[in-house]
Amino acid sequence: QVQLQESGPGLVKPSQTLSLTCTVSGASVSTGTYYWSWIRQPAGKGLEWIGRIYTSGSINYNPSLKSRVIISIDTPKSQFSLRLSSVTAADTAVYYCAREGGYSNPMYDWGQGTLVTVSS
Amino acid sequence: DIQMTQSPSSLSASVGDRVTITCRASQTTLTYLNWYQQKPGKAPKVLIYGASSLQSGVPSRFSGSGSGTDFTLTITSLQPEDFATYYCQQSYTIPITFGQGTRLDIK
Repeated sequence: QVQLQESGPGLVKPSQTLSLTCTVSGASVSTGTYYWSWIRQPAGKGLEWIGRIYTSGSINYNPSLKSRVIISIDTPKSQFSLRLSSVTAADTAVYYCAREGGYSNPMYDWGQGTLVTVSS
Repeated sequence: DIQMTQSPSSLSASVGDRVTITCRASQTTLTYLNWYQQKPGKAPKVLIYGASSLQSGVPSRFSGSGSGTDFTLTITSLQPEDFATYYCQQSYTIPITFGQGTRLDIK
């Protein structure tokens, strides 16, 4: 069974960089036909896809965030990470990491989510 | 981007009822359409993938249909644990997009 766990600061100051890590167990982040994704959800609102990284290292980003986002993989640690720069209050949300089952597949496994608040 | 529009945005129903939620895409997603259930404070959980395939472990009272731009999620004989928010999601093209959600409440 694949398990994912987000970690990182719960509070980030405006204009700074949000950094989160997702630790994966039960699957390899660098083998298989999986995408490792980040999704966020502001309080009381819907889901927004941020981007994903394939096991080969290829990356897709949401164009609405592309200029500020970097997603990377750390294979030895079985982790993948999200960096979102120049944050504002609009980036306050619960951030989820998830595993997609391959091209055009759904997100089968999700982390529990972590709340990140952008505030001075 | 493909815009996903769900209707209704909210719905009240009783235990035992049959409910249908609709999802319309702004352009074709073929059958790359997935449905998720989310309960308060929890991550979404996939119910239906590929428009009509039931995810393992999901009760058979959940079903999905449709192709192209119009899709439905049907829940027959609502159970207390089914009261939640439901999202459709297209996985056909980047960026992946979700519907705005349908909140299903107890009447």
